[in-house]
Amino acid sequence: DIVMTQSPDSLAVSLGERATINCKSSQSVLYSSNNKNYLAWYQQKPGQPPKLLIYWASTRESGVPDRFSGSGSGTDFTLTISSLQAEDVALYYCQQYYTSPLTFGGGTKVEIK
Amino acid sequence: EVQLVESGGGLVQPDRSLRLSCAASGFTFDDYAMHWVRQAPGKGLEWVSGIGWNSGGIAYADSVKGRFTISRDNAKNSLYLQMNNLRPEDTALYYCANSGGGSYSGQPFSSWGQGTLVTVSS
Repeated sequence: DIVMTQSPDSLAVSLGERATINCKSSQSVLYSSNNKNYLAWYQQKPGQPPKLLIYWASTRESGVPDRFSGSGSGTDFTLTISSLQAEDVALYYCQQYYTSPLTFGGGTKVEIK
Repeated sequence: EVQLVESGGGLVQPDRSLRLSCAASGFTFDDYAMHWVRQAPGKGLEWVSGIGWNSGGIAYADSVKGRFTISRDNAKNSLYLQMNNLRPEDTALYYCANSGGGSYSGQPFSSWGQGTLVTVSS
């Protein structure tokens, strides 16, 4: 199974500052035949289901603000919120959809400092 | 608008069974793979099972293999999860989600339902 490890478990960032979340997979999720990383990021606000933010490691889902960006390749990935807003307080999960079992990271809680 | 509405959750005793349903609307159901994902209280997300568009491909997490069965009825735009031999550690909010491309792997989960709560306790 591909193990997804996120860091940190939580972080507190001032409004308008940058938040960075890391995700590491135990094996590469880069598919060489199409050069795509099978890595997604989800946001989950309290009492709500997860919402897809980023897929293919760096493609923003329609409607997602451009302050959210994803980067990385192979086994190391990053979600960046360039200027944290109050509505970004949430849990964030990475997920590999490269192979079964599809696995999620443990989550990162983002709060306002 | 895509809608996924789960039902069938509740309180059940250990070793008993429960069947969850997910009613889908707002998209072409048989163009999408479907999944069950669960979240234990205060915990993270755990993928439970996925099924391809035509039920030709099915996969399970090791934690539920042999006890849970996923199925779909494309004529009714519905997804199901038959859960047998339930354990206390199966207690969770169960979400259904869809993914494009038709196969249970290879695409992210684009839409999620609100979930149905399953509590396994004596």
